[in-house]
Amino acid sequence: ELKVEQNPLFLSMQEGKNYTIYCNYSTTSDRLYWYRQDPGKSLESLFVLLSNGAVKQEGRLMASLDTKARLSTLHITAAVHDLSATYFCAVDKNQGGKLIFGQGTELSVKP
Amino acid sequence: GAGVSQTPSNKVTEKGKYVELRCDPISGHTALYWYRQSLGQGPEFLIYFQGTGAADDSGLPNDRFFAVRPEGSVSTLKIQRTERGDSAVYLCASSLTGYLDRTDGYTFGSGTRLTVV
Repeated sequence: ELKVEQNPLFLSMQEGKNYTIYCNYSTTSDRLYWYRQDPGKSLESLFVLLSNGAVKQEGRLMASLDTKARLSTLHITAAVHDLSATYFCAVDKNQGGKLIFGQGTELSVKP
Repeated sequence: GAGVSQTPSNKVTEKGKYVELRCDPISGHTALYWYRQSLGQGPEFLIYFQGTGAADDSGLPNDRFFAVRPEGSVSTLKIQRTERGDSAVYLCASSLTGYLDRTDGYTFGSGTRLTVV
């Protein structure tokens, strides 16, 4: 059974600091997704990582994928308050669309 | 439409009642997914449609849950004899095809918050 684990589950950061969220998964997969969710809102797609070594960046967020280590990271650079949200990684179990989500990382960026 | 539309946005029902949740995907999207998100958790897969057929319904928790997509566009998730444990946000997502060939991931709707009292 595919399991997806994120850590940390809660992250309180100061503005301007850097940090990394980790996403480990238990079985082989070449597709990994990162989503953002604001309180009471739906999921917003951030990154789609489709192959080993893939790296994508958007603003202060950068995501990478190491399929051999079954690990993806979401790196936050110089955090700002607007980044406060819950971040989910999800793995495509069989490339058919069934996503298995991690528990989420609740990020709070404080001034 | 411009995005995935789900109705109602909120539904409160009494234990034992029947409910229907509707999802209207992005026009032209052949794949449609239902997920359930409990408070403080990540979404859990329920069912995936490719066109009119359910390609994978392995996530439906029991036979009280059923979903249809008769014309390959709008889908309805049906829950019979609701229980308090069914309370959650039910999310719908769609994609152009079931085998993702885009870079923007699946598009999720805003969800239906179901509360069973």
